[in-house]
Amino acid sequence: GAVVSQHPSRVICKSGTSVKIECRSLDFQATTMFWYRQFPKQSLMLMATSNEGSKATYEQGVEKDKFLINHASLTLSTLTVTSAHPEDSSFYICSARQGGTQPQHFGDGTRLSIL
Amino acid sequence: AQKVTQAQTEISVVEKEDVTLDCVYETRDTTYYLFWYKQPPSGELVFLIRRNSFDEQNEISGRYSWNFQKSTSSFNFTITASQVVDSAVYFCALDTGRRALTFGSGTRLQVQP
Repeated sequence: GAVVSQHPSRVICKSGTSVKIECRSLDFQATTMFWYRQFPKQSLMLMATSNEGSKATYEQGVEKDKFLINHASLTLSTLTVTSAHPEDSSFYICSARQGGTQPQHFGDGTRLSIL
Repeated sequence: AQKVTQAQTEISVVEKEDVTLDCVYETRDTTYYLFWYKQPPSGELVFLIRRNSFDEQNEISGRYSWNFQKSTSSFNFTITASQVVDSAVYFCALDTGRRALTFGSGTRLQVQP
């Protein structure tokens, strides 16, 4: 079945550091990738939608300058949390869709902890 | 607008009990998909089922079964003879194909030995 690889699975770093998270579709071409954030004991909230070759579309309240998304190829999207602070600590999870009504496939998530 | 409601925040049962997790959704689209995911403490989302809006047949997979009722916009999930390994957070989600999934708030299931 379709596989989405997300890396790293866990990051612990100091405040002020920028952190890059990769999301790769391993056996299909993903025209659209989604980035979600999940705070403890809460649901997954969409942060942004990333289409290959174009700018990401951010949800209301998500700072585009803080959460940089690049979808440079049909198999890779990256999320960079710039100058991360403790309040950015969360579980970030990506998903990829091949197109149309194809189902989304999720990565295993990245647990980000900012000290 | 799309919305998924999981009214049960937390459910606690004793092993071998049956448990039903409720999911009610709202959408104006006539074509959509409904999902259930399991999220164990490790965090990854485990896909359980995807159901097309045109397919109202109930589905059974081992100890899991799903009841899709379009008339009440519900897609409930039942675990029969629950086990400790079933302890997790379960999310119901809606996909209209135009954007990301809309997730419910999740139901935390605790199965006590």
